[in-house]
Amino acid sequence: GAVVSQHPSRVICKSGTSVKIECRSLDFQATTMFWYRQFPKQSLMLMATSNEGSKATYEQGVEKDKFLINHASLTLSTLTVTSAHPEDSSFYICSARGPRDRGPSSGANVLTFGAGSRLTVL
Amino acid sequence: QQQVKQSPQSLIVQKGGISIINCAYENTAFDYFPWYQQFPGKGPALLIAIRPDVSEKKEGRFTISFNKSAKQFSLHIMDSQPGDSATYFCAARVNTGRRALTFGSGTRLQVQP
Repeated sequence: GAVVSQHPSRVICKSGTSVKIECRSLDFQATTMFWYRQFPKQSLMLMATSNEGSKATYEQGVEKDKFLINHASLTLSTLTVTSAHPEDSSFYICSARGPRDRGPSSGANVLTFGAGSRLTVL
Repeated sequence: QQQVKQSPQSLIVQKGGISIINCAYENTAFDYFPWYQQFPGKGPALLIAIRPDVSEKKEGRFTISFNKSAKQFSLHIMDSQPGDSATYFCAARVNTGRRALTFGSGTRLQVQP
């Protein structure tokens, strides 16, 4: 099945530095990838939609200058948290729309998630 | 405004029992309803999904029941096992625009041996 690789899985950085998280679709091409943020014991909140070859679409309240998204190829999207602060500490998860699945997904394009990246800003 | 409401927040079930998680939605434009399973420190994984033109779908021990008129859908886990202990999220998607998923708040399931 479709696999999405996310790297790094854990990162610790100092306040004020920038951190880049990569999301790769390993065995399929993804023109669209989604970036979610998840706080402990909470749901996934959509941050932005990453579109290959064009600008990302950000959800209301998400600062595009702070969370830079680049989708330079059909298999790679990156999220850069710029000038990180402790309140940016969170679990960041990417997802990509893979091939249609006649099984569990009822014929829809399966949205496959990466394993997530735990960011801790000191 | 929470578009997908999920309950209960947490659930404890004995091994072999049936786990039931419920979700309700408001947006009638939603046309795709998946359920995801998430283990601690991992990304969500698709379990099963349903479209509104059917009332039930079964995949192994997992069944989705869908009530279009009530705008509700539920996940049933039959013969629950300790390995099913995880957080479960329902979600919904509109089939236009970005087609991003809107998630429910999650249910932490604990299956006791």
